[in-house]
Parts: sequence; structure tokens; C-alpha cells
Amino acid sequence: AQTVTQSQPEMSVQEAETVTLSCTYDTSESDYYLFWYKQPPSRQMILVIRQEAYKQQNATENRFSVNFQKAAKSFSLKISDSQLGDAAMYFCALDTSGTYKYIFGTGTRLKVLA
Amino acid sequence: DTGVSQNPRHKITKRGQNVTFRCDPISEHNRLYWYRQTLGQGPEFLTYFQNEAQLEKSRLLSDRFSAERPKGSFSTLEIQRTEQGDSAMYLCASSHKDIGSNQPQHFGDGTRLSIL
Repeated sequence: AQTVTQSQPEMSVQEAETVTLSCTYDTSESDYYLFWYKQPPSRQMILVIRQEAYKQQNATENRFSVNFQKAAKSFSLKISDSQLGDAAMYFCALDTSGTYKYIFGTGTRLKVLA
Repeated sequence: DTGVSQNPRHKITKRGQNVTFRCDPISEHNRLYWYRQTLGQGPEFLTYFQNEAQLEKSRLLSDRFSAERPKGSFSTLEIQRTEQGDSAMYLCASSHKDIGSNQPQHFGDGTRLSIL
């Protein structure tokens, strides 16, 4: 069975600082995709960043980057230069090839302190 | 791209009543998904469609739940004889089937269901 674990229920970061959110997963598949989604309060979930398992290079999207450790089945999200608008729930999700259904973690609530 | 639209945003109903939710995906997306999200949890997969065909259903989807996607456009999710445990946020997502690539899912705002 595929699982996604986010062990940090809540994190805080000072504005302009850097924070890393953790995610570990388990799958027996060799071909899969990993995602980080952001869900602001009472607003829709939006894609932050995605990583294809077959790519060794870590994905980067502006201030957001991932540290993908395939052997360790770890997929952490680094947010640099944190902004007040980054405050939200962050969900890690796994999509194994052929299923197209996402397995989500329980989320990490990120607070950004001014 | 107007995004995924879900209606209603909120639904309050008495236990035992039937409810129906609607999802309008992004127009060029041929895949549509339903998830359920309870407080403090991540979304859980319920079912998905490719065009009008329902290709997979989760064991979470009991006999009281039915989903349709007539003509491969909008979708409806109906819950019959609602129970307290059905209280949750119901999320719809859509994506485009692309050969050789998994396109990410785009989510709607969700429908929050409260059972009295």
C-alpha cells in the first residue's frame, strides 16, 4: 500500500526566513510523481511544485524547492524568503503511475510571523 | 481557464436526507476526480472519471454514494440517506490526459457538507 507521512502538524517561520517541511512516503512502484499543494484557509488547493521520480534533479519553482531523496523515500519542501502569503496548510501527495489518484499526507500548517 | 467550479459551497442538511453536489471542471480537462477531506486530514480519493467513464471507485464510496459525469463534462456526486459521518469537505479536481505525462490535478474550492 502507498502511504504519505507528514510528521510536522505545524511549523512557524519568521518573514523573510527559510523553512523546510518534511514528507516521507512509501511505494513499491518505481515510476511515480510527488507534489506539494498549498491550501490557504477557506480557499482552494493550489499546486506548489511537482517532482517526477525518474528525474534526479530537484525541482525548483521560484522561492520553492524540494529535496528529493529517492532511496530514503523523502520529499521535503524548502520555502525561501518566506512571505505572509505563504501561510497555509501544505499537503504532500503521491501519484503512482497508472493510478492517477493522489495519496495525501495529513498536512503541515505553516504560520509566517511578521 | 476559469478553474474548477463547485456548487454549492456549503450544504447543511438533516440526517437521512439526500444531497447532490456539482463540479464543473476546466473545460479542456478530460479527467475528473472526487475527494473527501475531513477536519485535520488530507483529501482522500473517492472516484475518478475519464470523459464519461467512471474508471475507479474507492472502498470509501459506499452504496449510498453515486457519481456521474454525463457527456464527459460536469459531474455530480449524490449522497443518499446522509449520516453524521458524511460531514466533510468534498473536493473536485480535474486534469488533462497527456500521453507520456501525468498532468497535475487542479482543485475546486470544495463543497462543505454539514449533517445536523
